[in-house]
Amino acid sequence: EAQVTQNPRYLITVTGKKLTVTCSQNMNHEYMSWYRQDPGLGLRQIYYSMNVEVTDKGDVPEGYKVSRKEKRNFPLILESPSPNQTSLYFCASSRQGSGYTFGSGTRLTVV
Amino acid sequence: AQTVTQSQPEMSVQEAETVTLSCTYDTSESDYYLFWYKQPPSRQMILVIRQEAYKQQNATENRFSVNFQKAAKSFSLKISDSQLGDAAMYFCAYRSRMNRDDKIIFGKGTRLHILP
Repeated sequence: EAQVTQNPRYLITVTGKKLTVTCSQNMNHEYMSWYRQDPGLGLRQIYYSMNVEVTDKGDVPEGYKVSRKEKRNFPLILESPSPNQTSLYFCASSRQGSGYTFGSGTRLTVV
Repeated sequence: AQTVTQSQPEMSVQEAETVTLSCTYDTSESDYYLFWYKQPPSRQMILVIRQEAYKQQNATENRFSVNFQKAAKSFSLKISDSQLGDAAMYFCAYRSRMNRDDKIIFGKGTRLHILP
């Protein structure tokens, strides 16, 4: 089944404790992207990647890191999480011009 | 910079009726894509429909169709014969066709309620 898999689905962590949210796609898509969703703000793009080893900032990149060492994986790293990073996170992938296929989301709470 | 505006935070429609969700956008580009996504309570983001800006014909997918007005920068979604399963948050999104970057802009969403 063609899908984007992100883990974990839920995560509660403490301020300052490094964490990684994994994302993997099995559709051989060139493009991958991370979004955060907050009430009243819609979805905002954090980082995106147009191919292996190519990443760039979206609209809200502060406090996040990404890497794209392989085509299928695009992990999101929070080096020192803070409470304002409490959010619902989505990973997504696509071919050029097509709509993005989204993962199921990761609900992150930073206390 | 591109912007996407959904002016209706919430809407309600009677089951089996037709409803139209509004979306306007601002861009200086001539070639781009527009999308509508559905997010039901499960929170999964589901692609509903896609429109290429260079195509004049409005996209349709079963009960879902769009009214794409390029000059007016308007991209509304029409849902015909509304069903209870259509209750969700709907997001309009803009994607550039240029290869410079892949910044996707989402509107803030319209929550659609279906009244039985």
